[in-house]
Amino acid sequence: GAGVSQSPRYKVAKRGQDVALRCDPISGHVSLFWYQQALGQGPEFLTYFQNEAQLDKSGLPSDRFFAERPEGSVSTLKIQRTQQEDSAVYLCASTSTSGTRGGEQFFGPGTRLTVL
Amino acid sequence: AQSVTQLEIQVTVFEEAPVELRCNYSSSVSVYLFWYVQYPNQGLQLLLKYLSGSTLVESINGFEAEFNKSQTSFHLRKPSVHISDTAEYFCAVTHSGAGSYQLTFGKGTKLSVIP
Repeated sequence: GAGVSQSPRYKVAKRGQDVALRCDPISGHVSLFWYQQALGQGPEFLTYFQNEAQLDKSGLPSDRFFAERPEGSVSTLKIQRTQQEDSAVYLCASTSTSGTRGGEQFFGPGTRLTVL
Repeated sequence: AQSVTQLEIQVTVFEEAPVELRCNYSSSVSVYLFWYVQYPNQGLQLLLKYLSGSTLVESINGFEAEFNKSQTSFHLRKPSVHISDTAEYFCAVTHSGAGSYQLTFGKGTKLSVIP
């Protein structure tokens, strides 16, 4: 595709519900990142994939957060038993290089999650 | 670990006026530096980056930033802004060593350009 796409663009969940957020990176991009952007804050790193391997998940805030990229392309971020503090915009980014070093990360439009 | 501080939360300037958005970073190792821009209802886009070489880097739409290692700064400037520059600007850093994949962002500066 022309860019990184994410779906849904908006998601409202009741506290305790599970949600799944999808990211379609640019075709052929090796690396994929998830970031969380709370209101009034900059994006914060959650996790990183190189192809299907999750090489870094140090930013995931709790074990309720889980990400996968089984075939090295589409990725899903799953949040179990959502809490109000999970409300944020979730950004996906991809890059053609194997790391951030010098490589531009191309960002999707984000999924705005609101937990009631 | 790295950190980024953007000194202005919001900046409002008149069209054709100069603007400077300030960014300071903290890191114990060498870094790569980026400015991303987010226009209303759009995703983050790379504006410019410093990897190595000349400390002054420029974007195609007239922005420039200068890497100052001694002051650990990477301020963004434009001599004459347009209405279309209204957006939120994020400074970001990553270190240039092995295993450094993610970006660390500042909190952003909202730039409003008024006629």
